[in-house]
Amino acid sequence: GQQLNQSPQSMFIQEGEDVSMNCTSSSIFNTWLWYKQDPGEGPVLLIALYKAGELTSNGRLTAQFGITRKDSFLNISASIPSDVGIYFCAGQALNNAGNMLTFGGGTRLMVKP
Amino acid sequence: EPEVTQTPSHQVTQMGQEVILRCVPISNHLYFYWYRQILGQKVEFLVSFYNNEISEKSEIFDDQFSVERPDGSNFTLKIRSTKLEDSAMYFCASSAGAGGANEQFFGPGTRLTVL
Repeated sequence: GQQLNQSPQSMFIQEGEDVSMNCTSSSIFNTWLWYKQDPGEGPVLLIALYKAGELTSNGRLTAQFGITRKDSFLNISASIPSDVGIYFCAGQALNNAGNMLTFGGGTRLMVKP
Repeated sequence: EPEVTQTPSHQVTQMGQEVILRCVPISNHLYFYWYRQILGQKVEFLVSFYNNEISEKSEIFDDQFSVERPDGSNFTLKIRSTKLEDSAMYFCASSAGAGGANEQFFGPGTRLTVL
């Protein structure tokens, strides 16, 4: 099946620092999504990307859809304590009849005030 | 802002028992999904549902699992005879349409514990 490799697995940073995480795949995806999950809650959509090369921002978050359609990154600028959580990338392939999302393994972000 | 809701938030059951997890998708959405997340692991797709039938299902979604849209608002996941390894968070999601520009929005999840 399709696999998404997400890195890093975890990050421990100082408040105010910038953060970058990425996902790569051996398969092509036509949609990339980035979600954040707080403990005991469901994933919350942060950014959606639909075109190769697309760069989209949402406040301090910026994400890009790789030109090859096999990768995406998420940047968080000037991190704050409430950025703590697990960030997941998710991809949707063109041939998925049922819109299945394939998730990465997640990046656990910890922010030190 | 409309959101996906799920009940119960936590379900404890004995191995071999049947459980039904309930979801109310966002009201104008047409596509519905179930995912699961075993503790500490990534989110895994189970099934997608559109126009009163399953569109796609994963290997996890075996004949012990079934889904139903019993009325105009609810979407349920039934596990006929639970196993220990069914213990996980189960997330319902919905989207307005399919393909590009149709994001999936997730509910808060039901934590299923099988003893």
